[in-house]
Amino acid sequence: DAKTTQPPSMDCAEGRAANLPCNHSTISGNEYVYWYRQIHSQGPQYIIHGLKNNETNEMASLIITEDRKSSTLILPHATLRDTAVYYCIVRVAGTGNQFYFGTGTSLTVIP
Amino acid sequence: DAGVIQSPRHEVTEMGQEVTLRCKPISGHDYLFWYRQTMMRGLELLIYFNNNVPIDDSGMPEDRFSAKMPNASFSTLKIQPSEPRDSAVYFCASRGGVSSPLHFGNGTRLTVT
Repeated sequence: DAKTTQPPSMDCAEGRAANLPCNHSTISGNEYVYWYRQIHSQGPQYIIHGLKNNETNEMASLIITEDRKSSTLILPHATLRDTAVYYCIVRVAGTGNQFYFGTGTSLTVIP
Repeated sequence: DAGVIQSPRHEVTEMGQEVTLRCKPISGHDYLFWYRQTMMRGLELLIYFNNNVPIDDSGMPEDRFSAKMPNASFSTLKIQPSEPRDSAVYFCASRGGVSSPLHFGNGTRLTVT
């Protein structure tokens, strides 16, 4: 039951902003949008999450459209170490509603 | 904070042998999850615990798999007997409150020959 759709792969030039899109057209009003990334041979790493408002932290920014049917993760100045698979997950905050990972977007940052 | 700690990092065993994977969650986290990752199936949730009690084990593939959490700081995932198709990376993750994000360990790469 795929709740999110992401492009399978993207490239980004080093130093430029990486904009990773995610469609979640069936999202419910109480479902959060979470972003994780997985660098080869490591466990998934939490990046950011949000409900309605745009969010920013030291790693990235999350832009959620007003209708909440899509979102974009922005890495403002991509580095080679940002090369990873990025997962967009929607989830209701509460017990019994767990994190299900799709296939994600494989981001390659090019020197 | 040391993060979620898993051991061993790598395990190679022969078919039919028992395998035990170990996990120490982040202190204070009351949810613990076991995931399995393969190229074919991606990341799959196997089982999760809340306050040391198994809540949902519907992702456990077969009776050969079992998981325990004897206390808040330790969990095991056991496969007995192991089969080649169990070869995968097994991740443990923990989180605090219900809206908190998951924190993953670096996984155990299991190879069953």
